[in-house]
Amino acid sequence: DQQVKQNSPSLSVQEGRISILNCDYTNSMFDYFLWYKKYPAEGPTFLISISSIKDKNEDGRFTVFLNKSAKHLSLHIVPSQPGDSAVYFCAASGKTQGGSEKLVFGKGTKLTVNP
Amino acid sequence: NAGVMQNPRHLVRRRGQEARLRCSPMKGHSHVYWYRQLPEEGLKFMVYLQKENIIDESGMPKERFSAEFPKEGPSILRIQQVVRGDSAAYFCATERGLNEKLFFGSGTQLSVL
Repeated sequence: DQQVKQNSPSLSVQEGRISILNCDYTNSMFDYFLWYKKYPAEGPTFLISISSIKDKNEDGRFTVFLNKSAKHLSLHIVPSQPGDSAVYFCAASGKTQGGSEKLVFGKGTKLTVNP
Repeated sequence: NAGVMQNPRHLVRRRGQEARLRCSPMKGHSHVYWYRQLPEEGLKFMVYLQKENIIDESGMPKERFSAEFPKEGPSILRIQQVVRGDSAAYFCATERGLNEKLFFGSGTQLSVL
């Protein structure tokens, strides 16, 4: 069961334009959402997060929007830069079957920013 | 990623052999998570450990897989009698305390021939 879905496996944008990465979730018990960025041969690195009590969080060129009623969040990068080219994972924080908090990840979206 | 050390970076095993993956947390971090990423998939939770304790192993396959985080030394993910389907990238992530930010290692790419 894919509780966190990133339906676009890839996205290509021009340098300077906006990149919009989308993520949908099914579990209404998720209360914290994160975006991680991953370069090849490296582990994911934390990018930005948002609590379920907010609908927007901004950090420099990165903004995350949360629409709880639609169970949808998105990451906006503006302006996009070639160095942003990476795989972006959406993650949600929720309880495991064992009762602890853990991150549930989507499959990722590969962003390519063309010069 | 700086500080969370995983080794080896690449591990090749033949079917039936054992694989041992190591994770040394960042200094001051006492919580360790193991995640597995199969090809074309996202990261899937496997196990959550604190020093000398397995807190949650609900994501671990029931057989052949085990994990430990001893009082001294790195956390170990052990896979016995590996099969081709075990080929994946295995990531360790650590945090200082519960619900704090996770820091990931660079992963171990396991290839089973």
